[in-house]
Amino acid sequence: QQQVKQSPQSLIVQKGGISIINCAYENTAFDYFPWYQQFPGKGPALLIAIRPDVSEKKEGRFTISFNKSAKQFSLHIMDSQPGDSATYFCAATDSSYKLIFGSGTRLLVRP
Amino acid sequence: KAGVTQTPRYLIKTRGQQVTLSCSPISGHRSVSWYQQTPGQGLQFLFEYFSETQRNKGNFPGRFSGRQFSNSRSEMNVSTLELGDSALYLCASSLDRGGNSPLHFGNGTRLTVT
Repeated sequence: QQQVKQSPQSLIVQKGGISIINCAYENTAFDYFPWYQQFPGKGPALLIAIRPDVSEKKEGRFTISFNKSAKQFSLHIMDSQPGDSATYFCAATDSSYKLIFGSGTRLLVRP
Repeated sequence: KAGVTQTPRYLIKTRGQQVTLSCSPISGHRSVSWYQQTPGQGLQFLFEYFSETQRNKGNFPGRFSGRQFSNSRSEMNVSTLELGDSALYLCASSLDRGGNSPLHFGNGTRLTVT
């Protein structure tokens, strides 16, 4: 029940395309859902986050869509760029403050 | 503002040895969390410290321990190292308790156990 399931494991997108990464969770106590971006040799960096009281949050080219009833949330990267090539992690937490991470998606954006 | 600093960046140790990793959080951040990252298990929560007290612990054996000092700097110790402890150890700091308060990660310490 503590798991966050992330898919796909890897994703290849052409420059200018839309990258979509999906996550699903079981624990209904989760109330904060961040996405992290990690480049090789670096630690994860917070990209965007959402709480379950909103269904969508947009920051620049990055959008989180949240479906509370389905217990699913997704990251959409519009107009994907080669510089977006990285590993993306979804995560979730509850009042315990422990972040539970998804398994990661390796995104490659081809020029 | 300086980011989260982890030292050393790389470590090579032998089975059975112990190791101490260090983390300096962003100035003003009071919470420090530690995560283990491996290709097989992904990112796993180790523990969280706030105001020098361990507030939360993940599912790791007692060989993994940590502490936080009055200046919020934190150290993590692993005793009796095993081959499976080879991983990237990430420290993250946040203004308030981790999780709901945005976590800022360091670049990690790459530990190799031979």
